[in-house]
Amino acid sequence: GAVVSQHPSRVICKSGTSVKIECRSLDFQATTMFWYRQFPKQSLMLMATSNEGSKATYEQGVEKDKFLINHASLTLSTLTVTSAHPEDSSFYICSARDPQGADEQYFGPGTRLTVT
Amino acid sequence: AQSVTQPDIHITVSEGASLELRCNYSYGATPYLFWYVQSPGQGLQLLLKYFSGDTLVQGIKGFEAEFKRSQSSFNLRKPSVHWSDAAEYFCAVGSGYSTLTFGKGTMLLVSP
Repeated sequence: GAVVSQHPSRVICKSGTSVKIECRSLDFQATTMFWYRQFPKQSLMLMATSNEGSKATYEQGVEKDKFLINHASLTLSTLTVTSAHPEDSSFYICSARDPQGADEQYFGPGTRLTVT
Repeated sequence: AQSVTQPDIHITVSEGASLELRCNYSYGATPYLFWYVQSPGQGLQLLLKYFSGDTLVQGIKGFEAEFKRSQSSFNLRKPSVHWSDAAEYFCAVGSGYSTLTFGKGTMLLVSP
């Protein structure tokens, strides 16, 4: 089946720094990728939809200047958390939609971000 | 606005016993319904989906779910649980695979 990877799997950074998370579709080309945030004991909250070659569409309440999303190729999308604060600590999950596979979303394993 | 309610935060089932995880949804149109499973360190894996047709849907790993429009429910079932089924289960609703709204999840614990 289709595989989506994320890197890193976990990262610790200091307040005020920026951190980049990569999401790759390993065996298919994804024109659309999604970024989610998951709080403990909570559901996945969609942050933004990323289309290759165009600007991401952010959900209401998500700061686009803080969570920079780039989808420069059909297999790679990146999420950069800028000027991170402890409240940004969370589990970030990406997914990629396979247009050849009935548009099913395939999810990455997630990235645990801790901001100290 | 669409929403999903999974009323059970966690459930403990004995190995070999049957399982039912509850899911209720709110959606303005004909819903597309999904069940995903998330194991530690792994991404969400699609167990099954309902788009249309037969309201009893068969999925992978021996799971099935039944869509009941009158009850706005899409409960997940398995006749005999295995220890490897211990994981977190998410119900989701959407219009196709886009713009999925997830429930808060139900953690399944399997006792020996």
